[in-house]
Amino acid sequence: QKEVEQNSGPLSVPEGAIASLNCTYSDRGSQSFFWYRQYSGKSPELIMFIYSNGDKEDGRFTAQLNKASQYVSLLIRDSQPSDSATYLCAVRSGSARQLTFGSGTQLTVLP
Amino acid sequence: GAVVSQHPSWVICKSGTSVKIECRSLDFQATTMFWYRQFPKQSLMLMATSNEGSKATYEQGVEKDKFLINHASLTLSTLTVTSAHPEDSSFYICSAAPRGSRSYNEQFFGPGTRLTVL
Repeated sequence: QKEVEQNSGPLSVPEGAIASLNCTYSDRGSQSFFWYRQYSGKSPELIMFIYSNGDKEDGRFTAQLNKASQYVSLLIRDSQPSDSATYLCAVRSGSARQLTFGSGTQLTVLP
Repeated sequence: GAVVSQHPSWVICKSGTSVKIECRSLDFQATTMFWYRQFPKQSLMLMATSNEGSKATYEQGVEKDKFLINHASLTLSTLTVTSAHPEDSSFYICSAAPRGSRSYNEQFFGPGTRLTVL
């Protein structure tokens, strides 16, 4: 059973702060790791994906991957109220294109 | 580019009726489409994977006779919820993987269809 675990939150941070979102996964064969943002009533939007150990930066977002610890995180710098949403971690394993999603972390950025 | 549409965006039906949901890739061909279901406050759960021209692969616990999937062309997949019941009320989301994509990680989500069964 492939599992992706996230702290459901809610996580609250003040505007301008760094929000840190964490995710662990159980399948060591996992290849790629994704972070999606989902607003209430909408479908997920891809923020970024990472497949190599280390950090990957894209604007205010940084994904961090540690395959030895089976851990992936997302940092959001200079958080804005518009970043308030549920953040979903997803994992792709092996040669399949299917994604396994975590339960999501609800983030609230307070003005 | 890379737009996926779903129709309808929402539907309300009576218990026992069947509902068809369409998923279209508007500006690319999709060899593979995925159907997810999301209950309130829960994450996306993969229901099935459909490949153009072949039978869909269903995830464990998903009834293939209740959730009929047809992927008749490279731009269209349909999900039919047969004999819908209130417990089938959910947010159904499709995603499409482009044909010939250089990135195996590319997958684009549709806007979702909210189904309410009375």
